[in-house]
Amino acid sequence: KQEVTQIPAALSVPEGENLVLNCSFTDSAIYNLQWFRQDPGKGLTSLLLIQSSQREQTSGRLNASLDKSSGRSTLYIAASQPGDSATYLCAAIFGNEKLTFGTGTRLTIIP
Amino acid sequence: NAGVTQTPKFRILKIGQSMTLQCTQDMNHNYMYWYRQDPGMGLKLIYYSVGAGITDKGEVPNGYNVSRSTTEDFPLRLELAAPSQTSVYFCASSYPLGLSTDTQYFGPGTRLTVL
Repeated sequence: KQEVTQIPAALSVPEGENLVLNCSFTDSAIYNLQWFRQDPGKGLTSLLLIQSSQREQTSGRLNASLDKSSGRSTLYIAASQPGDSATYLCAAIFGNEKLTFGTGTRLTIIP
Repeated sequence: NAGVTQTPKFRILKIGQSMTLQCTQDMNHNYMYWYRQDPGMGLKLIYYSVGAGITDKGEVPNGYNVSRSTTEDFPLRLELAAPSQTSVYFCASSYPLGLSTDTQYFGPGTRLTVL
C-alpha cells in the first residue's frame, strides 16, 4: 500500500530559526510530491511541487527536496516568522494519478 | 475568477438526515475531487471525477454519492447521515495530474457535524 508519513505531528520553534519538516513515502515510483499549507479553518494552499526528475524546488524562504531512493522529502523554512505557523501537509502522486496525503505537521513559531 | 467554491460552510445534521454539499469551480478543470479530513488526520479521498459524466470511488466512498453533469459542478450527497461522517469536507479541482506540473486547487471546506 502506498503511504505518506509525516513525523513529528507537531513542532514548536522560536522565531528566526531555520527548520526542517519531514515527509516519507513507501513507493519510489513517484510522479511528483507536493507541499501544502493549511491554516486553521481554511483549505489547502499549494507551496511547492517537485517532479520526480527534480531534486529540489525553491520559493522565497522555502526549499523542498526530494530523494526517491530513500523515500524522503523535506521542507526547509529559513528565518521562521510567526506567520509561518500553520499545518504543513505533503502529498505524493504515485501511479494512480491521485494524491496521497500525509497526516501533517502542525508548526508553531514562538515570537 | 473565484477558483473552487463550496457551500455551505457549516452544517449540523441529525442522524438519518440527508444533504448535498455543493462544489463549483470556474477554472475549466476536468478533474474534481472530494476529500474528508478528520481531526489530526490527513485528507482521505471519497470520490473523484475525470470529466463530466465520469465518476469513480476513492479510498472512503461508503455512505456517499456523487454526480458530475457539468464540468463546473461536482456535488457530494450524504443519504443517511451517521456520526462517523462528522468531518471537514474539501472539494478540489485540477488538470490531469501525474506528469503534470500543475496542482490541485482546494475550496475552503464544509464543516459537517452529525448528532
